[in-house]
Parts: sequence; C-alpha cells; structure tokens
Amino acid sequence: DAGVIQSPRHEVTEMGQEVTLRCKPISGHDYLFWYRQTMMRGLELLIYFNNNVPIDDSGMPEDRFSAKMPNASFSTLKIQPSEPRDSAVYFCASSLGWAGYGYTFGSGTRLTVV
Amino acid sequence: KQEVTQIPAALSVPEGENLVLNCSFTDSAIYNLQWFRQDPGKGLTSLLLIQSSQREQTSGRLNASLDKSSGRSTLYIAASQPGDSATYLCAGLGGSNYKLTFGKGTLLTVNP
Repeated sequence: DAGVIQSPRHEVTEMGQEVTLRCKPISGHDYLFWYRQTMMRGLELLIYFNNNVPIDDSGMPEDRFSAKMPNASFSTLKIQPSEPRDSAVYFCASSLGWAGYGYTFGSGTRLTVV
Repeated sequence: KQEVTQIPAALSVPEGENLVLNCSFTDSAIYNLQWFRQDPGKGLTSLLLIQSSQREQTSGRLNASLDKSSGRSTLYIAASQPGDSATYLCAGLGGSNYKLTFGKGTLLTVNP
C-alpha cells in the first residue's frame, strides 16, 4: 500500500480564497482523521470519521472549515474563506479500528494564506 | 480534558549516548499511549504503542514504558545514532472519547 496520500503538498493562496485539501486513506482502514499542526498549538485534531461518517467535529475551529468523506477512499477538508491564521500544516491520518493500531499519517499539506 | 506535556522541548546528545524522553499526561483513564517520530517536512510515524494494561514495549533500540498511576511515559533510546535525529511525540488515546491527544514533542539532535 502506498500509505496515506495527501494533496497538494504545498498550497499558497490569498486571503479570502477557497482552499480544498485532499486525502486518500489506506485501503481497509475504517477511521480517518484530520489534524492541524502549528508551532504554537502543536497537533490538534479537527475532525474524524468512522466508515465515512463524521463522528466528532468539535475541533473544527470555525464554520469556515468543513470536511467530507464521500466514500471510503477519499476525504476533503475545505476552508472558505481562508485567512492568514489558517496557515499551518494539515495532516490526514487513518487507522484500523478506534484503538489506534496501524495509525498512519500522510505527509501533510503545508498551507500558507497571504 | 487530557493534556500531554513533553520535557525537554529539545535535546542534543553525542552519538552513542543512551537517552530518555519524558511524557506526562493529566488523565490516567487512557486506553493506550503511543510514541511517534516526525522527520522535518514529513508526517508522523508510529514507533511504539503501549496498552494501558502493559508496562512497557520494546522495538530494537527503543523501549517505552507507561506508568498510569503517575501519569508518565518514557521513551528510552539506546546507543543513539545521528539517524535518530527527529522530533518525538507522545500521544494518549482517551478511554472515553477515543481521541489521540498529542504532546508538542521533543526535538532530538544526535551529533556525530
């Protein structure tokens, strides 16, 4: 398996623009997680899905953030409109079961909003 | 709310030294504790996972311990090598909310 695949690797956008981050989890994994990493706050869980269903989105900072998982092999995280404070590295991770076994991270998307 | 703290934030050691990284957590009702490694510009790689019923796990030169009663975990690295240079993060899985809470990590530099 190629692991968790995220695209794009880098994204630079202007304030106010819509940004869409993409993730392909490991085949067979039933949990998918979106994290944000910054120097100040470290890694923060934004939202997670189980079998394509959003379970907990309490970490999503504002209504400007939304996430979808239309099928078992694809998820998106959208920010609309983007703001400079959204600049961070966004990671997608997947696992088999909720206990964290096989927890695998993607390489991340570095987002810069100018 | 679970809080995970890692001390020190950065550590520099000469090659060959044995070292210990520390992790503390506030909620002892964790299901398991994981240690991850993060290389610059990369995602996290899981190193060791310790169940709440276990005391330690070993993989090669790495040994992780867990003491739920004191809210502490340690990662021991034996005979450190320059290739061990990375940021090491610990994360506790909540027993009630099934969420991983991460520490901010320890940046390890092993000098040749």
